[in-house]
Amino acid sequence: KAGVTQTPRYLIKTRGQQVTLSCSPISGHRSVSWYQQTPGQGLQFLFEYFSETQRNKGNFPGRFSGRQFSNSRSEMNVSTLELGDSALYLCASSLEQASTDTQYFGPGTRLTVL
Amino acid sequence: EDKVVQSPLSLVVHEGDTVTLNCSYEVTNFRSLLWYKQEKKAPTFLFMLTSSGIEKKSGRLSSILDKKELFSILNITATQTGDSAVYLCAVEDAGGTSYGKLTFGQGTILTVHP
Repeated sequence: KAGVTQTPRYLIKTRGQQVTLSCSPISGHRSVSWYQQTPGQGLQFLFEYFSETQRNKGNFPGRFSGRQFSNSRSEMNVSTLELGDSALYLCASSLEQASTDTQYFGPGTRLTVL
Repeated sequence: EDKVVQSPLSLVVHEGDTVTLNCSYEVTNFRSLLWYKQEKKAPTFLFMLTSSGIEKKSGRLSSILDKKELFSILNITATQTGDSAVYLCAVEDAGGTSYGKLTFGQGTILTVHP
């Protein structure tokens, strides 16, 4: 079974631009969660999607948004990029629920904002 | 706001040593506590704890939760160089719904020297 895949693996953007990251969960997994990891803040929860609906949301501004498609693939969008958005963005999939089911993480997308 | 604090932030030991990693938390509606190991990019799941006093074991790793004192420990015995990683603790806040939000700690960087 293929693991969680994320594209692209690396991105360089400039302030003010917007970016879309993609995550394909493990086949059969319906829950997709997104995390931001930075050296200063550690791993922070962004949101969780299940059946095309956002089920949980972390404490991030509205510039961070996401969606999930009927095939469970998910995208995350960040608009009006700021320098502080530079981070590793991790996606994780699980069968039904991010916490009670084991989460499987993707390799991440390294975003650099210049 | 939910909070997870891990200690120590970093630890350097020699092969064969035993280490104890700590995780204390504040969460409004506790549901579970999870431990992850992160070596390069993506964290891998270790344990999920929901009940106090019940030790979970997997090989040389074990973990226990104290819901009264709001902390958990992760023990690694007979450490090996392959145990070198960042160990992350996360708590799930049920938030009055069936599905929880995860909050991660800063992580403990463990370095095991041969």
